[in-house]
Amino acid sequence: EDKVVQSPLSLVVHEGDTVTLNCSYEVTNFRSLLWYKQEKKAPTFLFMLTSSGIEKKSGRLSSILDKKELFSILNITATQTGDSAVYLCAVGTGTASKLTFGTGTRLQVTL
Amino acid sequence: GAVVSQHPSRVICKSGTSVKIECRSLDFQATTMFWYRQFPKQSLMLMATSNEGSKATYEQGVEKDKFLINHASLTLSTLTVTSAHPEDSSFYICSGREGKETQYFGPGTRLLVL
Repeated sequence: EDKVVQSPLSLVVHEGDTVTLNCSYEVTNFRSLLWYKQEKKAPTFLFMLTSSGIEKKSGRLSSILDKKELFSILNITATQTGDSAVYLCAVGTGTASKLTFGTGTRLQVTL
Repeated sequence: GAVVSQHPSRVICKSGTSVKIECRSLDFQATTMFWYRQFPKQSLMLMATSNEGSKATYEQGVEKDKFLINHASLTLSTLTVTSAHPEDSSFYICSGREGKETQYFGPGTRLLVL
């Protein structure tokens, strides 16, 4: 059974802090790893990673994948209250590339 | 990014009735659409995968006769919850994919069955 594990489950930080969210996986027929941000509604896409060691960056967010150790990290620098959300990691597998989601990390950024 | 809409955003129905949820890809053709269910404080659980013009593939434990999925065109998929019961109350989310890896999610439909 495919498994995606995220840590920590929840995190409270002060505005301006840097955070690192972790995602490890055990799946068959890996194709891609995706990060999403979920606020009150459906997830919004952040990154898709398919190759090891290549950092993807968007503003204060960045992510990297290690296919040998089977994990990915999502970094957020200079956090803002608007970053408060649940961050979901999902792994795409198989020819249909269906996604298996982790349970998410709930991030709260306080003033 | 690609936009997916869902309708309705929220529905309350009586036990035993059927509810239809629509999922539309607005600015791309979704060759594959996915339906997920999310319970409070839990992650998304894939229910089924549908390809345009063919029957949906359901995940283990998901009753295909209860959750009817139709993907009649490249921009529209529907999920019908038949004979809904209170335990079907959940947040239902669809996503569309245009043939690449990335799935784009709709805003979700919150279903409450009384």
